Amino acid sequence: TQLLEQSPQFLSIQEGENLTVYCNSSSVFSSLQWYRQEPGEGPVLLVTVVTGGEVKKLKRLTFQFGDARKDSSLHITAAQPGDTGLYLCAGAPSNTGKLIFGQGTTLQVKP
Amino acid sequence: NAGVTQTPKFQVLKTGQSMTLQCAQDMNHNSMYWYRQDPGMGLRLIYYSASEGTTDKGEVPNGYNVSRLNKREFSLRLESAAPSQTSVYFCASRTGRTYEQYFGPGTRLTVT
Repeated sequence: TQLLEQSPQFLSIQEGENLTVYCNSSSVFSSLQWYRQEPGEGPVLLVTVVTGGEVKKLKRLTFQFGDARKDSSLHITAAQPGDTGLYLCAGAPSNTGKLIFGQGTTLQVKP
Repeated sequence: NAGVTQTPKFQVLKTGQSMTLQCAQDMNHNSMYWYRQDPGMGLRLIYYSASEGTTDKGEVPNGYNVSRLNKREFSLRLESAAPSQTSVYFCASRTGRTYEQYFGPGTRLTVT
């Protein structure tokens, strides 16, 4: 069974702080995605990374795909209360058409 | 642009009752998915449909059935609800070109 382990599971920080969320697996993925989910809503895609070592930036969010395509990280610079939510990583094993989701990281940014 | 729609948004069932969760997408996507989300467990795949006319089991299919009615619609049926099926259910769809999935707003189901 392929698993994606996210850490930490919960994070409560003050506005302006930096943070990193990790997503790790022993399996190789053809691509990896990060989603953000707000209470009462479905997950919304933030980014997809497909190449080992790839780095993508989305405003204050930086996403990295590990060289071996087994892990990824999400770094938020100068977090704001609007960043509060559940962050999910999801990996696509080759040629299965399915995604495997990590258990999620709940982020709370206090003003 | 509606995207992925789900009905109902909330439902309370008694143990043993049956119900069908409806999902529709207007993005002309081939693949559709049903997930359940429980605290601390992320999203777990129940069933998916790679294309109209095909369905396959996911990680947690027991107690559920699905129907891919046409390209737009994918329904999830609970024949005899159990308290262990209390969860939030999400439908999603994707194009055939990427793994990026688009989710509906969810159905919050409680089985007493």
